[in-house]
Amino acid sequence: EVVLTQSPDTLSLSPGERATLSCRASHVVSRNYLVWYQQKPGQAPRLLIYGASNRATGIPDRFSGSGSGTDFTLTISRLEPEDFAVYTCQQSGDSPTFGQGTKVEIK
Amino acid sequence: QVQLQQWGAGLLKPSETLSLTCAVSGGSLSGYYWSWIRQPPGRRLEWIGDINHSRNTNYNPSLKRRITITLDTSENQFSLKMTSVTAADTAVYYCARKYSGYARRLDHWGQGTLVTVSS
Repeated sequence: EVVLTQSPDTLSLSPGERATLSCRASHVVSRNYLVWYQQKPGQAPRLLIYGASNRATGIPDRFSGSGSGTDFTLTISRLEPEDFAVYTCQQSGDSPTFGQGTKVEIK
Repeated sequence: QVQLQQWGAGLLKPSETLSLTCAVSGGSLSGYYWSWIRQPPGRRLEWIGDINHSRNTNYNPSLKRRITITLDTSENQFSLKMTSVTAADTAVYYCARKYSGYARRLDHWGQGTLVTVSS
């Protein structure tokens, strides 16, 4: 099983600041299969990034993804008020797994 | 616009069978895998399994013995059954559509159903 470990667990930032979230895999993950989701309290996850760096439909360009192998990053260039949420990475291989999530909170 | 609407019993006793259904509107079942995912309180999301239009299924090995995912093309819906539930199965259960081509991803989700297992 591919274990995904996200860091940090919590990121405290102010609107307008840059957020950098990490997702590290226990085994190499194909770039095609690295996905990021955003989740707000009481809501289902929302697809943000697929294939490590492709924005999903309707996702603003302040969200970007990068990385390869075992290390992947989600960057939010300038935080808007609606961006404060939990961000989860997923490897969507034959036996999908998820990271534990990073909470981006208002400082 | 594809929408997934799910429903099922929210309170079960240990040893009972969990049963959830997810109806798909605004799109066809063909060309995708239809997935179930759960999130226990305070824990990470866990993939349960999925099914495609040809009724090919994939199951999480840790749950395989207890789960069955089925597809009803006439009703455009799919279902999850999990037998012999315990408190460890308490979670929010989500249905989702999986794009299964290049760059697999879960691109549409149901609203979630909280299932609590308690005596």
